[in-house]
Amino acid sequence: GENVEQHPSTLSVQEGDSAVIKCTYSDSASNYFPWYKQELGKRPQLIIDIRSNVGEKKDQRIAVTLNKTAKHFSLHITETQPEDSAVYFCAADTGRRALTFGSGTRLQVQP
Amino acid sequence: AAGVIQSPRHLIKEKRETATLKCYPIPRHDTVYWYQQGPGQDPQFLISFYEKMQSDKGSIPDRFSAQQFSDYHSELNMSSLELGDSALYFCASSPFLNEQFFGPGTRLTVL
Repeated sequence: GENVEQHPSTLSVQEGDSAVIKCTYSDSASNYFPWYKQELGKRPQLIIDIRSNVGEKKDQRIAVTLNKTAKHFSLHITETQPEDSAVYFCAADTGRRALTFGSGTRLQVQP
Repeated sequence: AAGVIQSPRHLIKEKRETATLKCYPIPRHDTVYWYQQGPGQDPQFLISFYEKMQSDKGSIPDRFSAQQFSDYHSELNMSSLELGDSALYFCASSPFLNEQFFGPGTRLTVL
């Protein structure tokens, strides 16, 4: 089955800096890669996603890049704000209607 | 906009008891997913349904079963509860091809 690895497990940045979270996947059949933000005790919220026919996607301060050859994808957050502090999960889906999640990155933005 | 509804939000059970979790997907979403998230863990896929038929199965214990009804709501039935079943249980729904939106979750505590 699919295996998704996520790094780093924790990330602390100063407000206004950029944050980058990286994930690798194992199944070359994976074709959909969403990113979720989860605050403590709350639901995972979809913040951005990318499909395998696209190399990069941007939405305001958030961007995601995908390298199919290397089987890795990354989340980039620019101009970080304290409210960006949360746990971020990457995920991959082969189209089997099931997401495999990475282990999560706890992002702390220091004011 | 309508969101995924889950009930109950909190549930406390004793070991060996049974529990039923309910999920009401976003209207016109044809696929429902169940995930289990332990403390500090990533969500683990349990099972999914597409158009009321089981679509995929993940790490769902044999003690658990689920179904999707004619009105598209889904129920997760859990029997012979164990301490290790204590977790957040999320339901998610999607309209097509992967974009999953999560409900608020049910926090199950097994004493």
